[in-house]
Amino acid sequence: RKEVEQDPGPFNVPEGATVAFNCTYSNSASQSFFWYRQDCRKEPKLLMSVYSSGNEDGRFTAQLNRASQYISLLIRDSKLSDSATYLCVVNRFGDMRFGAGTRLTVKP
Amino acid sequence: GAVVSQHPSRVICKSGTSVKIECRSLDFQATTMFWYRQFPKQSLMLMATSNEGSKATYEQGVEKDKFLINHASLTLSTLTVTSAHPEDSSFYICSARLRTGGPSSYNEQFFGPGTRLTVL
Repeated sequence: RKEVEQDPGPFNVPEGATVAFNCTYSNSASQSFFWYRQDCRKEPKLLMSVYSSGNEDGRFTAQLNRASQYISLLIRDSKLSDSATYLCVVNRFGDMRFGAGTRLTVKP
Repeated sequence: GAVVSQHPSRVICKSGTSVKIECRSLDFQATTMFWYRQFPKQSLMLMATSNEGSKATYEQGVEKDKFLINHASLTLSTLTVTSAHPEDSSFYICSARLRTGGPSSYNEQFFGPGTRLTVL
C-alpha cells in the first residue's frame, strides 16, 4: 500500500465550480501535512499547510482528520488558473512523502 | 519565499555518459537538501537526503554508486548520474530545507525548478 494515496482524477470542472480532493496516509506517526501545487513540467510549490483545526486561505480550505488519517482540500469558485496537479504531502521527522497528485482542469 | 536553483534545466545525453546536476540555495543556508525523481504522471519519489559535510542517505532501491551525491557547502549539493541509461530519463528535482528553529517536521522545503534528463 502506498504511504500517501490520492485519487488521480482527472477532475474536469467549469469555472466557478467547487471541487474537493481527498488524500489518505498510512503512517499514523505522520506529523505535519501540506498541499502542494504542481504545474506541468514545473516544480511543486507550497499551497497551504493543513492543521487539525482546519484552515482556510481565500478560496482554499484544508481539513485534517488524524483519526481517519485523511486530508482534504476544497477549492471554491474555481478559476482557470487553478488548473494544475495538487499533491498531498505528509511529513514525518522531516521526511516528506508525496502522493501521486490529483489533476484538475478548470474549463471556461 | 526562499529560492533554490538547479542547473542545467534540461540535458540530453548519450547512453553511458555521466551527468552532473547542481542544486543551490540562493538566499539561505541549507544543511539538508533532498533529491527527488519524478516519472511522467507519477509522484515525486525521494532518492536521497543530502546533509552538508556528511554522506548522503539513500532510499531503498536507489543505487548510491550510480547516483553520486555531494553536499560540499551549505548552499550547494550535486547529483551525478553515472553511466546514464535510457531508463534514467526522468525529471530530477532537488529541494532545500529552511531551518526556522522549530521542530524539523515543520521546516518548509523549497524546490528547485527541476532538471529534465533525457538519455538517448
